[in-house]
Amino acid sequence: VQLVESGGGLVQPGKSLKLSCSASGFTFSSYGMHWIRQAPGKGLDWVAYISSSSGTVYADAVKGRFTISRDNAKNTLYLQLNSLKSEDTAIYYCATTLFDYWGQGVMVTVSS
Amino acid sequence: DVVMTQTPVSLSVSLGGQVSISCRSSQSLVHNNGNTYLSWYLQKPGQSPQLLIYKVSNRFSGISDRFSGSGSGTDFTLKISRVEPDDLGVYYCGQGTQYPRTFGGGTKLELK
Repeated sequence: VQLVESGGGLVQPGKSLKLSCSASGFTFSSYGMHWIRQAPGKGLDWVAYISSSSGTVYADAVKGRFTISRDNAKNTLYLQLNSLKSEDTAIYYCATTLFDYWGQGVMVTVSS
Repeated sequence: DVVMTQTPVSLSVSLGGQVSISCRSSQSLVHNNGNTYLSWYLQKPGQSPQLLIYKVSNRFSGISDRFSGSGSGTDFTLKISRVEPDDLGVYYCGQGTQYPRTFGGGTKLELK
């Protein structure tokens, strides 16, 4: 199993960014997936989940601003981040359904 | 939301020693299906978290039997015996019983 995140970077407050998580080594379409974030020096903060049938759940802190989606043909998970705030600055990880496999993470920095 | 409280925040141990980490949840983690979705993770310095224990006491693939989990309802414990240098890092408990998924604040394991 391999999960590789991409798309992070420095972005101004109020702007948008789209993260990707490329999956391999398992039948991606059969599994739900999570996004989790970790602010610098802080603990783990669950962000969103998408089921194998594309049902979604969000943390209150990101509801209405972030959108999780998937493309099973490309074995890729996405997180669209809109209306970004400084408190969204974190490493963003994708992980499998039971948090049994995690990617290496991608840094998102929101600053002017 | 289920609040996960870990104690202690930090722990010093000698190589070869044994330690215990406690995790308490604000609500029972027993799911409607009868399973208890409490997991333990280790985040080594500069790495993403890795799953150690799932459903309270089940070791994930490749995890040493020096790691053991126990508990029920709202009180859980991770024990690490014969501590090795590769065990150092931050340990997190996490619940997968209800949304939003939540994690404890972490316990940093250091060498004495």
